[in-house]
Amino acid sequence: AQTVTQSQPEMSVQEAETVTLSCTYDTSENNYYLFWYKQPPSRQMILVIRQEAYKQQNATENRFSVNFQKAAKSFSLKISDSQLGDTAMYFCAFMNGWGAQKLVFGQGTRLTINP
Amino acid sequence: ETGVTQTPRHLVMGMTNKKSLKCEQHLGHNAMYWYKQSAKKPLELMFVYNFKEQTENNSVPSRFSPECPNSSHLFLHLHTLQPEDSALYLCASSQVSGGGYTDTQYFGPGTRLTVL
Repeated sequence: AQTVTQSQPEMSVQEAETVTLSCTYDTSENNYYLFWYKQPPSRQMILVIRQEAYKQQNATENRFSVNFQKAAKSFSLKISDSQLGDTAMYFCAFMNGWGAQKLVFGQGTRLTINP
Repeated sequence: ETGVTQTPRHLVMGMTNKKSLKCEQHLGHNAMYWYKQSAKKPLELMFVYNFKEQTENNSVPSRFSPECPNSSHLFLHLHTLQPEDSALYLCASSQVSGGGYTDTQYFGPGTRLTVL
């Protein structure tokens, strides 16, 4: 079974700093998808970024980028120039490859951006 | 309305009550999902519906009964729940292609359920 592990339950940084959230996963599949979702206090689960395993290039979305290390089964999220609005729970999620629909989530990392 | 909406946002019910959660997606998707988010546990997939047909039941107790009348609406009917069923229930939707391409799931804001 696939598993997703986020080893940092909580993190805290100052506004404008850069922060990296860690995620590792376990799978025997070669084709899969990885996601980072953000859940602010409003509880809305918001997609931050998506990575296809077959793509070697790391995904980026404005201030958010990932470091995808397929051999190490590692998928970290880097937030540059952090803002107060980035305060939220961040979940790493895995979806098996072709035709799969089940998202497997990690436990989450609570990120606080301090002014 | 845009995206995925859920009603009610908060629900308190007794163990003998019957209630329903409603989800509506405005994204033109053909697949819908129920997830459960409990304190100190990762999100768990409960049900998957593709083109109104249930394709996955992740060993969910029968006191949770889903219904999908069309591709835009999804319900979760609740009856004789237990206090341990208190959680945030999230609905999501995505587009599924005949070729098996996996699209991103988009979530609603959730219903916070408390069972007394």
